Amino acid sequence: QVQLQESGPGLVKPSETLSLTCTVSGGSVNSGTYYWSWIRQPPGRGLEWIGYIYYNGDIKYNPSLTSRVTMSQDTSKNQLSLKLNSVTAADTAVYYCASGVFVVGLTGWGQGTLVTVSS
Amino acid sequence: EIVLTQSPGTLSLSPGERATLSCRASQSVSSNYLAWYQQKPGQAPRLLIYGASSRATGIPDRFSGSGSGTEFTLTLSRLEPEDFAVYHCQQYGTSPWTFGQGTNVEIK
Repeated sequence: QVQLQESGPGLVKPSETLSLTCTVSGGSVNSGTYYWSWIRQPPGRGLEWIGYIYYNGDIKYNPSLTSRVTMSQDTSKNQLSLKLNSVTAADTAVYYCASGVFVVGLTGWGQGTLVTVSS
Repeated sequence: EIVLTQSPGTLSLSPGERATLSCRASQSVSSNYLAWYQQKPGQAPRLLIYGASSRATGIPDRFSGSGSGTEFTLTLSRLEPEDFAVYHCQQYGTSPWTFGQGTNVEIK
Protein backbone atom coordinates (compact mmCIF):
# COMPACT_ATOMS: atom_id res chain seq x y z
CA GLN A 1 0.00 0.00 0.00
CA VAL A 2 1.50 3.30 -1.06
CA GLN A 3 2.00 5.90 1.67
CA LEU A 4 2.13 9.65 1.17
CA GLN A 5 3.43 12.47 3.37
CA GLU A 6 2.98 16.16 2.65
CA SER A 7 5.47 18.75 3.86
CA GLY A 8 6.06 22.47 3.49
CA PRO A 9 5.60 25.84 5.18
CA GLY A 10 2.48 26.20 7.28
CA LEU A 11 2.33 29.97 6.76
CA VAL A 12 2.61 31.85 3.47
CA LYS A 13 2.26 35.60 2.94
CA PRO A 14 -0.34 36.99 0.53
CA SER A 15 0.89 37.34 -3.07
CA GLU A 16 3.70 34.84 -2.46
CA THR A 17 4.04 31.26 -3.71
CA LEU A 18 2.81 28.24 -1.79
CA SER A 19 5.18 25.28 -2.24
CA LEU A 20 4.46 21.77 -0.98
CA THR A 21 6.18 18.42 -1.36
CA CYS A 22 4.66 14.98 -1.15
CA THR A 23 7.02 12.09 -0.38
CA VAL A 24 5.83 8.74 -1.68
CA SER A 25 6.81 5.39 -0.19
CA GLY A 26 5.73 1.88 -1.10
CA GLY A 27 5.40 2.81 -4.75
CA SER A 28 7.14 4.73 -7.51
CA VAL A 29 5.93 8.05 -8.90
CA ASN A 30 7.43 6.88 -12.17
CA SER A 31 5.26 3.79 -12.55
CA GLY A 32 1.98 3.67 -14.38
CA THR A 33 0.17 2.05 -11.48
CA TYR A 34 -1.10 5.31 -10.05
CA TYR A 35 -1.74 8.88 -10.94
CA TRP A 36 -0.88 11.48 -8.29
CA SER A 37 -3.29 14.17 -7.29
CA TRP A 38 -3.54 17.22 -5.04
CA ILE A 39 -6.77 18.14 -3.25
CA ARG A 40 -7.45 20.91 -0.78
CA GLN A 41 -10.05 21.58 1.91
CA PRO A 42 -10.60 25.04 3.40
CA PRO A 43 -11.34 24.91 7.14
CA GLY A 44 -14.87 23.64 7.75
CA ARG A 45 -15.61 23.28 4.06
CA GLY A 46 -15.68 20.70 1.29
CA LEU A 47 -12.97 19.19 -0.88
CA GLU A 48 -11.59 20.81 -4.04
CA TRP A 49 -9.60 18.88 -6.63
CA ILE A 50 -6.49 20.80 -7.71
CA GLY A 51 -5.14 18.48 -10.38
CA TYR A 52 -3.26 15.29 -11.19
CA ILE A 53 0.01 14.24 -12.73
CA TYR A 54 0.75 10.90 -14.38
CA TYR A 55 4.11 9.23 -15.00
CA ASN A 56 3.93 9.79 -18.76
CA GLY A 57 3.79 13.57 -18.36
CA ASP A 58 0.02 13.87 -18.57
CA ILE A 59 -1.06 16.72 -16.27
CA LYS A 60 -4.54 18.09 -15.67
CA TYR A 61 -5.40 21.10 -13.55
CA ASN A 62 -8.67 22.44 -12.25
CA PRO A 63 -9.52 25.34 -14.60
CA SER A 64 -10.27 27.49 -11.57
CA LEU A 65 -6.57 27.29 -10.60
CA THR A 66 -4.77 26.58 -13.86
CA SER A 67 -3.29 30.06 -14.22
CA ARG A 68 -1.58 29.82 -10.80
CA VAL A 69 -0.74 26.14 -10.25
CA THR A 70 2.19 23.94 -11.25
CA MET A 71 2.54 20.25 -10.40
CA SER A 72 5.68 18.24 -11.01
CA GLN A 73 7.42 15.04 -9.96
CA ASP A 74 11.01 14.27 -8.95
CA THR A 75 11.66 10.65 -9.78
CA SER A 76 15.10 10.64 -8.13
CA LYS A 77 13.55 11.52 -4.78
CA ASN A 78 10.18 9.82 -5.42
CA GLN A 79 8.44 13.06 -4.60
CA LEU A 80 5.66 15.22 -5.97
CA SER A 81 5.57 18.99 -5.90
CA LEU A 82 2.77 21.55 -5.83
CA LYS A 83 3.30 25.26 -6.41
CA LEU A 84 0.51 27.82 -6.22
CA ASN A 85 1.46 31.42 -6.87
CA SER A 86 -0.13 34.76 -6.00
CA VAL A 87 -1.90 33.26 -2.99
CA THR A 88 -4.65 35.02 -1.04
CA ALA A 89 -6.53 34.19 2.15
CA ALA A 90 -8.92 32.13 0.03
CA ASP A 91 -6.09 29.64 -0.51
CA THR A 92 -5.94 28.83 3.20
CA ALA A 93 -6.70 25.12 3.43
CA VAL A 94 -5.51 21.65 4.34
CA TYR A 95 -3.67 20.38 1.30
CA TYR A 96 -3.68 16.64 0.60
CA CYS A 97 -1.71 14.59 -1.87
CA ALA A 98 -3.31 11.37 -2.99
CA SER A 99 -2.71 8.38 -5.20
CA GLY A 100 -5.36 7.22 -7.57
CA VAL A 101 -6.37 4.71 -10.19
CA PHE A 102 -8.28 6.12 -13.14
CA VAL A 103 -11.28 3.80 -12.96
CA VAL A 104 -11.34 3.70 -9.16
CA GLY A 105 -10.69 7.18 -7.81
CA LEU A 106 -8.44 8.38 -5.00
CA THR A 107 -7.28 5.22 -3.28
CA GLY A 108 -4.66 6.57 -0.88
CA TRP A 109 -4.29 9.89 0.89
CA GLY A 110 -1.60 11.67 2.86
CA GLN A 111 -2.50 13.02 6.27
CA GLY A 112 -2.73 16.56 4.89
CA THR A 113 -0.94 19.75 5.80
CA LEU A 114 -2.56 23.04 6.82
CA VAL A 115 -1.36 26.08 4.93
CA THR A 116 -2.47 29.47 6.19
CA VAL A 117 -2.14 32.55 4.02
CA SER A 118 -1.64 35.58 6.22
CA SER A 119 0.70 38.49 6.63
CA GLU B 1 -18.08 21.59 -14.59
CA ILE B 2 -20.33 18.97 -13.01
CA VAL B 3 -21.87 20.20 -9.77
CA LEU B 4 -22.62 17.54 -7.17
CA THR B 5 -25.31 18.28 -4.62
CA GLN B 6 -25.46 16.08 -1.54
CA SER B 7 -28.48 15.73 0.70
CA PRO B 8 -29.25 16.00 3.45
CA GLY B 9 -26.56 18.27 4.82
CA THR B 10 -26.80 16.59 8.22
CA LEU B 11 -28.32 13.24 9.14
CA SER B 12 -29.01 12.55 12.83
CA LEU B 13 -29.37 8.86 13.55
CA SER B 14 -28.80 6.30 16.28
CA PRO B 15 -26.41 3.33 16.13
CA GLY B 16 -28.08 0.38 14.45
CA GLU B 17 -30.23 2.56 12.19
CA ARG B 18 -30.04 2.71 8.41
CA ALA B 19 -28.55 5.77 6.70
CA THR B 20 -29.37 6.83 3.15
CA LEU B 21 -27.27 9.60 1.60
CA SER B 22 -27.96 11.18 -1.77
CA CYS B 23 -25.65 12.71 -4.38
CA ARG B 24 -27.21 14.42 -7.41
CA ALA B 25 -25.14 15.52 -10.40
CA SER B 26 -25.90 18.52 -12.61
CA GLN B 27 -25.21 16.34 -15.66
CA SER B 28 -24.66 12.68 -16.31
CA VAL B 29 -21.53 11.21 -14.70
CA SER B 30 -19.41 9.60 -17.38
CA SER B 31 -19.12 5.81 -17.03
CA ASN B 32 -20.74 6.17 -13.58
CA TYR B 33 -17.32 7.18 -12.26
CA LEU B 34 -18.78 8.21 -8.91
CA ALA B 35 -16.94 7.61 -5.64
CA TRP B 36 -17.86 7.97 -1.98
CA TYR B 37 -15.36 8.89 0.77
CA GLN B 38 -15.63 8.87 4.54
CA GLN B 39 -13.86 11.58 6.53
CA LYS B 40 -13.50 11.70 10.31
CA PRO B 41 -12.42 14.86 12.18
CA GLY B 42 -8.74 15.62 11.71
CA GLN B 43 -8.28 12.78 9.24
CA ALA B 44 -7.93 12.45 5.51
CA PRO B 45 -10.83 11.05 3.49
CA ARG B 46 -10.96 7.29 2.90
CA LEU B 47 -12.32 5.70 -0.26
CA LEU B 48 -15.43 3.61 0.39
CA ILE B 49 -17.15 3.10 -2.98
CA TYR B 50 -16.00 3.54 -6.58
CA GLY B 51 -17.74 3.14 -9.89
CA ALA B 52 -20.98 4.01 -8.08
CA SER B 53 -21.38 0.56 -6.53
CA SER B 54 -18.06 -1.25 -6.01
CA ARG B 55 -16.68 -1.41 -2.49
CA ALA B 56 -13.03 -0.48 -2.04
CA THR B 57 -10.61 -2.94 -0.45
CA GLY B 58 -11.39 -3.66 3.20
CA ILE B 59 -14.71 -1.80 3.29
CA PRO B 60 -17.42 -3.68 5.25
CA ASP B 61 -20.48 -4.87 3.36
CA ARG B 62 -22.79 -2.67 5.43
CA PHE B 63 -21.66 0.11 3.02
CA SER B 64 -23.32 -0.04 -0.38
CA GLY B 65 -23.56 2.31 -3.32
CA SER B 66 -26.13 2.50 -6.06
CA GLY B 67 -27.34 4.73 -8.85
CA SER B 68 -26.40 5.86 -12.30
CA GLY B 69 -26.49 8.89 -14.55
CA THR B 70 -27.25 11.82 -12.26
CA GLU B 71 -28.66 10.15 -9.13
CA PHE B 72 -26.51 8.21 -6.68
CA THR B 73 -27.03 6.82 -3.21
CA LEU B 74 -24.78 5.62 -0.41
CA THR B 75 -26.50 3.33 2.08
CA LEU B 76 -25.19 2.28 5.47
CA SER B 77 -27.38 -0.65 6.39
CA ARG B 78 -26.77 -0.55 10.12
CA LEU B 79 -24.77 2.27 11.67
CA GLU B 80 -21.84 1.31 13.84
CA PRO B 81 -20.32 3.86 16.29
CA GLU B 82 -17.30 4.32 14.01
CA ASP B 83 -19.51 5.25 11.03
CA PHE B 84 -20.43 8.68 12.37
CA ALA B 85 -18.47 10.96 10.06
CA VAL B 86 -18.74 13.20 7.01
CA TYR B 87 -19.34 11.52 3.65
CA HIS B 88 -18.30 13.07 0.35
CA CYS B 89 -19.23 12.05 -3.16
CA GLN B 90 -16.88 12.73 -6.07
CA GLN B 91 -17.19 12.36 -9.83
CA TYR B 92 -14.00 11.47 -11.69
CA GLY B 93 -15.43 10.87 -15.13
CA THR B 94 -15.16 14.41 -16.47
CA SER B 95 -12.47 16.97 -15.81
CA PRO B 96 -12.49 18.93 -13.61
CA TRP B 97 -13.20 16.24 -11.07
CA THR B 98 -15.60 17.60 -8.50
CA PHE B 99 -16.84 16.81 -5.00
CA GLY B 100 -20.13 17.33 -3.27
CA GLN B 101 -20.28 19.55 -0.21
CA GLY B 102 -20.56 16.57 2.15
CA THR B 103 -23.17 14.97 4.42
CA ASN B 104 -22.50 14.88 8.14
CA VAL B 105 -23.85 11.73 9.78
CA GLU B 106 -24.11 12.52 13.47
CA ILE B 107 -25.26 10.64 16.54
CA LYS B 108 -28.83 11.44 17.51
